[in-house]
Amino acid sequence: GENVEQHPSTLSVQEGDSAVIKCTYSDSASNYFPWYKQELGKRPQLIIDIRSNVGEKKDQRIAVTLNKTAKHFSLHITETQPEDSAVYFCAAQESSASKIIFGSGTRLSIRP
Amino acid sequence: DTEVTQTPKHLVMGMTNKKSLKCEQHMGHRAMYWYKQKAKKPPELMFVYSYEKLSINESVPSRFSPECPNSSLLNLHLHALQPEDSALYLCASSQQGWETEAFFGQGTRLTVV
Repeated sequence: GENVEQHPSTLSVQEGDSAVIKCTYSDSASNYFPWYKQELGKRPQLIIDIRSNVGEKKDQRIAVTLNKTAKHFSLHITETQPEDSAVYFCAAQESSASKIIFGSGTRLSIRP
Repeated sequence: DTEVTQTPKHLVMGMTNKKSLKCEQHMGHRAMYWYKQKAKKPPELMFVYSYEKLSINESVPSRFSPECPNSSLLNLHLHALQPEDSALYLCASSQQGWETEAFFGQGTRLTVV
């Protein structure tokens, strides 16, 4: 089955700086890669996703890149703000089923 | 309506109790999921329902029993749980098929005493 690894587990950046979170996946047939943000005590919410036929996708301050050959994908947040502080999960969807497998999470803290 | 609604928000139960968690969505999604999330851990898949049929059971102990009465509702029946089953239980739904966003409910925080 699919296995998703995520790094780093914690990340602290100065407000205004950029943050990068990296993930690798094991199943080369996986074709959908969502990123979820989970604030303390709240539900995971999708912030951006990318499909296997696309190498990069951007939405305002957030961008995701996908390298299918290397089986890794990354989340980039630019001009970070205090409200970006949360736990971020990458995920991959197995091609053979509807299940989404999550990475271990990155706790992002934005220093004022 | 892009909401997945879970009840109750909090539940405390004894190891001999029977209780049920409920999940409801009205987005017309045909895939529904139960996830378990322990503190500081990612959501861990338990069950997947596709068109009201159980399609995936991730080797979950039988003390957890899912049920999908119709396309909008998903239940998780709990019986004889252990303290280590205490966690946040998240329901999610998505359109059937691949490459679709999963919408999560706010979860039920379960404590087994």
